[in-house]
Amino acid sequence: KQEVTQIPAALSVPEGENLVLNCSFTDSAIYNLQWFRQDPGKGLTSLLLIQSSQREQTSGRLNASLDKSSGRSTLYIAASQPGDSATYLCAVNFRGGSQGNLIFGKGTKLSVKP
Amino acid sequence: NAGVTQTPKFRILKIGQSMTLQCTQDMNHNYMYWYRQDPGMGLKLIYYSVGAGITDKGEVPNGYNVSRSTTEDFPLRLELAAPSQTSVYFCASSTTGTYNEQFFGPGTRLTVL
Repeated sequence: KQEVTQIPAALSVPEGENLVLNCSFTDSAIYNLQWFRQDPGKGLTSLLLIQSSQREQTSGRLNASLDKSSGRSTLYIAASQPGDSATYLCAVNFRGGSQGNLIFGKGTKLSVKP
Repeated sequence: NAGVTQTPKFRILKIGQSMTLQCTQDMNHNYMYWYRQDPGMGLKLIYYSVGAGITDKGEVPNGYNVSRSTTEDFPLRLELAAPSQTSVYFCASSTTGTYNEQFFGPGTRLTVL
């Protein structure tokens, strides 16, 4: 079964720390992997999209890596700020499923303390 | 450019009532999707469409219907609401189903009592 797991479920860090969020998936046959941010009661904001042929993508203080062979992706956030507090979702577009069906992890809830 | 918009934002239904959740995108995307998000769970695909007039079931389609008469609109219909359909519903769109980013709407929070 195609599954996505995110660990830890929650993370609390002091402002300024660099941190890593983890995502693992069960099948290396993927089209791409997408990281989202979700604020309480809000929709999903796309942060980064990594195609299966890529190893990493960067946007500002965010860097996402992809290791298909081991079924892992990490989202690195540099110099964290209280405004980064949100739930971060990892979603994988697996080959062989319904077209565009993103399989989501349950998310990591990040709290950055001032 | 509004992106993906959804109405209503909130709704309370009684068991057995019907309603339509509206979704519109202005990015000229071919692919559109409906997901539901239950508390503490990942989003799950309900239905998707690869273009006007073409729809298909996702992982959890029971109790829902969709139609796609235009590129811009992809409404989701609940015919006989049940408490199990209490959830947050998200609409999304993308250029293709394989290599492109999906963009999400703000969601509709539905409670069935």
